[in-house]
Amino acid sequence: QQQVKQSPQSLIVQKGGIPIINCAYENTAFDYFPWYQQFPGKGPALLIAIRPDVSEKKEGRFTISFNKSAKQFSLHIMDSQPGDSATYFCAASKRDTGNQFYFGTGTSLTVIP
Amino acid sequence: GAVVSQHPSRVICKSGTSVKIECRSLDFQATTMFWYRQFPKQSLMLMATSNEGSKATYEQGVEKDKFLINHASLTLSTLTVTSAHPEDSSFYICSAREAWQETQYFGPGTRLLVL
Repeated sequence: QQQVKQSPQSLIVQKGGIPIINCAYENTAFDYFPWYQQFPGKGPALLIAIRPDVSEKKEGRFTISFNKSAKQFSLHIMDSQPGDSATYFCAASKRDTGNQFYFGTGTSLTVIP
Repeated sequence: GAVVSQHPSRVICKSGTSVKIECRSLDFQATTMFWYRQFPKQSLMLMATSNEGSKATYEQGVEKDKFLINHASLTLSTLTVTSAHPEDSSFYICSAREAWQETQYFGPGTRLLVL
């Protein structure tokens, strides 16, 4: 059973566009929601993370929007660049399972120059 | 800060041999380390969780006698793939976490090819 559902599977945008990647979860016990960026052949790198007590968090060009009632959160990439082309994973965790991460299925983003 | 290294980055071995992969936290103490496996164009699949000084906890379907995990210090965990077979070929990634923190920092991964 997929604990975190991620969409879309792939996304193509023009340079300067704002790709949006969405994730949804069912378990209301989740209390930590990170986003990771992964380039081919590399390990995932933490981009930004949010806790359920805030509705939005911004770090540079990356913004997480969090809707606790809908159990959804999304990643927005402002002024996207070709160098942002990568696979993005959302995840969720909760303390009572040792903060094990439940990953989404990933979104392959291509930013066209 | 929060750098995790893995060694080797790539390894090719013959079927039946054992391969050891090291995961090190370079600038923090990792009370918990995780080992993942990733197939092409797929998400990360958690194999096991290890806490320093304790036996690893394996996910359902992961053979603990085949994938030996040791976490003997706060900066080093090792994954040994014993009697490797071609179906074990994959991208293995470790992550590390400090005590009382949620964030996991990932290593660069190890590409294993078993011939």
